[in-house]
Amino acid sequence: GAVVSQHPSRVICKSGTSVKIECRSLDFQATTMFWYRQFPKQSLMLMATSNEGSKATYEQGVEKDKFLINHASLTLSTLTVTSAHPEDSSFYICSAIVPRDSYGYTFGSGTRLTVV
Amino acid sequence: DAKTTQPPSMDCAEGRAANLPCNHSTISGNEYVYWYRQIHSQGPQYIIHGLKNNETNEMASLIITEDRKSSTLILPHATLRDTAVYYCIVRGLMKTSYDKVIFGPGTSLSVIP
Repeated sequence: GAVVSQHPSRVICKSGTSVKIECRSLDFQATTMFWYRQFPKQSLMLMATSNEGSKATYEQGVEKDKFLINHASLTLSTLTVTSAHPEDSSFYICSAIVPRDSYGYTFGSGTRLTVV
Repeated sequence: DAKTTQPPSMDCAEGRAANLPCNHSTISGNEYVYWYRQIHSQGPQYIIHGLKNNETNEMASLIITEDRKSSTLILPHATLRDTAVYYCIVRGLMKTSYDKVIFGPGTSLSVIP
């Protein structure tokens, strides 16, 4: 089946630094990827939609200058959390539309970000 | 906003069938019902989807009522590894960038030994 590889799985960073999370589609071309964040015991919250070769579309209330999304190729989308603060600590998950079947989405395994 | 409502939690005895309900009373004619599950600290996993007919695969069965306003996901023989949060989602066939998925709170299923 279609696989999205997400790295790193866990990252700890200091306040004020930036962290990049990568999502790669391994056996298909992902023209569209979605980024979610999830706080403990809560559901996934959609942050933004990224389309290859164009600017990302952010959901209301998500700071686009803080969460930089780049989708420069058909197999790679990145999320950079800039000037991270402890309140940015969360579980970040990417997903992609699989074009060849009706499964809809396939998800990455998630990244646990802890800002200290 | 999510278009579905699910009970927040359920328990099921190991080896028994787990029946997870979902209400989607505002579903439109071209919208499918998708089910995903999320095991703790992992990304969601696709389970099954359907339009109006009942569906079955190696993981589960999906029963959709005739009026399509509700559905039930059935795990025929629940195991401890089925303990997860189950999400019921209503969307058009997800093939375009406009088909973003909004997750509701889901049902937290606990399979008990």
